[in-house]
Amino acid sequence: SQQGEEDPQALSIQEGENATMNCSYKTSINNLQWYRQNSGRGLVHLILIRSNEREKHSGRLRVTLDTSKKSSSLLITASRAADTASYFCATVDYGGSQGNLIFGKGTKLSVKP
Amino acid sequence: GAGVSQSPRYKVAKRGQDVALRCDPISGHVSLFWYQQALGQGPEFLTYFQNEAQLDKSGLPSDRFFAERPEGSVSTLKIQRTQQEDSAVYLCASSQLRAVSARNGYTFGSGTRLTVV
Repeated sequence: SQQGEEDPQALSIQEGENATMNCSYKTSINNLQWYRQNSGRGLVHLILIRSNEREKHSGRLRVTLDTSKKSSSLLITASRAADTASYFCATVDYGGSQGNLIFGKGTKLSVKP
Repeated sequence: GAGVSQSPRYKVAKRGQDVALRCDPISGHVSLFWYQQALGQGPEFLTYFQNEAQLDKSGLPSDRFFAERPEGSVSTLKIQRTQQEDSAVYLCASSQLRAVSARNGYTFGSGTRLTVV
């Protein structure tokens, strides 16, 4: 079963604009990760935020985490056409296999040049 | 190699046919995961190996699915008597550690797209 939901399911913006994607999850977590998936390709790890962190930056990426609301957001600033992809949040399930990732359904981002 | 390699890249199988999907993880990586990704969905966990031991197979959808990693490196996911609902992308991921690294997360292969006709 999937952990939660990304919101929105699809997002279309112009190059140079910022893109914000949200993720909600259901269980207590140790950390939350964001991945990108280009069409027909595997997932690429973008950023990991631990449960005791509230915000983290990596280049044009900014991730926030609100454990009281069980939600996270991914902000991509100054978007580029190359950012067009699907973005997934994932949490780690330590109850079973010591690190199995549970993914949401993803946000499909389209950045128009 | 430098990344996780999966083969074949695409596989078309007739319903009822058996298929075998291969994953070559990053050398030395302890953990190996298989995921199934249906069209428009996020990946869903199938099974997990720590070296050669299959520690969790709770995500395998039926007894037609079988995975192995006999020498703790290459893994094979086998699907017997394929059905149309098995059509999906099958992703393999590996990790250096048992638990998620603070910096790198998991490394995924490009997947095998299985189409059952």
